[in-house]
Amino acid sequence: KNQVEQSPQSLIILEGKNCTLQCNYTVSPFSNLRWYKQDTGRGPVSLTIMTFSENTKSNGRYTATLDADTKQSSLHITASQLSDSASYICVVSDRGSTLGRLYFGRGTQLTVWP
Amino acid sequence: EADIYQTPRYLVIGTGKKITLECSQTMGHDKMYWYQQDPGMELHLIHYSYGVNSTEKGDLSSESTVSRIRTEHFPLTLESARPSHTSQYLCASSEEQGADEQFFGPGTRLTVL
Repeated sequence: KNQVEQSPQSLIILEGKNCTLQCNYTVSPFSNLRWYKQDTGRGPVSLTIMTFSENTKSNGRYTATLDADTKQSSLHITASQLSDSASYICVVSDRGSTLGRLYFGRGTQLTVWP
Repeated sequence: EADIYQTPRYLVIGTGKKITLECSQTMGHDKMYWYQQDPGMELHLIHYSYGVNSTEKGDLSSESTVSRIRTEHFPLTLESARPSHTSQYLCASSEEQGADEQFFGPGTRLTVL
């Protein structure tokens, strides 16, 4: 069964600290993995996309890693800011359908305290 | 920020009412989607469309219906709302090619009393 599991479910950190969010998936075949940020009451916004051959990709203070062999990804946030408080969702796409089927994790709810 | 819009943003209605959730995008995307999301849970695909006059049911069974008469417009309708329909509804769109990146609207928070 194709699944995407994220951990931790929730995380509280102090402003300025770093954190790492985890994503494990069993989706096969694999096309790409995206990390989305979803602010409360808003729709998700894509942060990074990683394909099979990519190990690391950065977007400002966000750095995503991908280990396609172990089917694991992480999202590292450096020097957190209050505006980083949001849900971070891992989304994996298979290449088995013309629709480009997406599998969503439940997200990690990050809270940054001043 | 993506040019995809949803109205209303919040809706509180009584049981049995008919409602339509609006979704519009100005990016010219052929593919559009409706997701249902409960707090702390993953997004579930309930409807999608490949283009004008195309509508398909998603993974999660839903009593709602959709239509796609124009490329930019993908409304969702509930003929008779029930408390079990209380949820957040997210609309998204993507290009015909490289369909994996979906651009999401802000969502409609529906509460049925």
